[in-house]
Amino acid sequence: GENVEQHPSTLSVQEGDSAVIKCTYSDSASNYFPWYKQELGKGPQLIIDIRSNVGEKKDQRIAVTLNKTAKHFSLHITETQPEDSAVYFCAATHYGGSQGNLIFGKGTKLSVKP
Amino acid sequence: GAVVSQHPSRVICKSGTSVKIECRSLDFQATTMFWYRQFPKQSLMLMATSNEGSKATYEQGVEKDKFLINHASLTLSTLTVTSAHPEDSSFYICSARPADLAEKLFFGSGTQLSVL
Repeated sequence: GENVEQHPSTLSVQEGDSAVIKCTYSDSASNYFPWYKQELGKGPQLIIDIRSNVGEKKDQRIAVTLNKTAKHFSLHITETQPEDSAVYFCAATHYGGSQGNLIFGKGTKLSVKP
Repeated sequence: GAVVSQHPSRVICKSGTSVKIECRSLDFQATTMFWYRQFPKQSLMLMATSNEGSKATYEQGVEKDKFLINHASLTLSTLTVTSAHPEDSSFYICSARPADLAEKLFFGSGTQLSVL
């Protein structure tokens, strides 16, 4: 089955700096890779996602890149703000396959210092 | 994005009692909903997949008689923790996939269950 590794587990940056979180996956059949932001005591919020037929996707200060050959994908947050502080989870799935459920990484706690 | 409503947000109960958690898709129909459990500072663990009109599919190690799932309509799934014990204390989260948004999965706000 799919296995998703996420690094780093914690990340601290100064406000205005960029933050990068990396994930690797094991199943080459995976074709959908979302990123979620989870604030304390709340459910995960979908912030950006990418399909396997795309190499990069950007939405304002957030971007995701995918390298299918190396089986890794990354979240990039530019011009970080204190409100970006949260736990971020990457996930992977083979949408359209027999399972279809998301396999999550272990999460990265991002702290943005003002 | 699509809205998934989950209630209650927090519940405290005595050991041996049962607790029901509701998950509703507010502005879309969801033939499939998922239930997750999350321990402090850990990732989400899939418990079961809930399919409208049929029995839920449970992940290995999850007791189906302990965690009863009902998906009676296209907008509502419920998780009942039966005869709850302190070890069932956890953060439970549901999610749903809109039929018209392909692979996207949206989550409820979660339910913090504390069993005394």
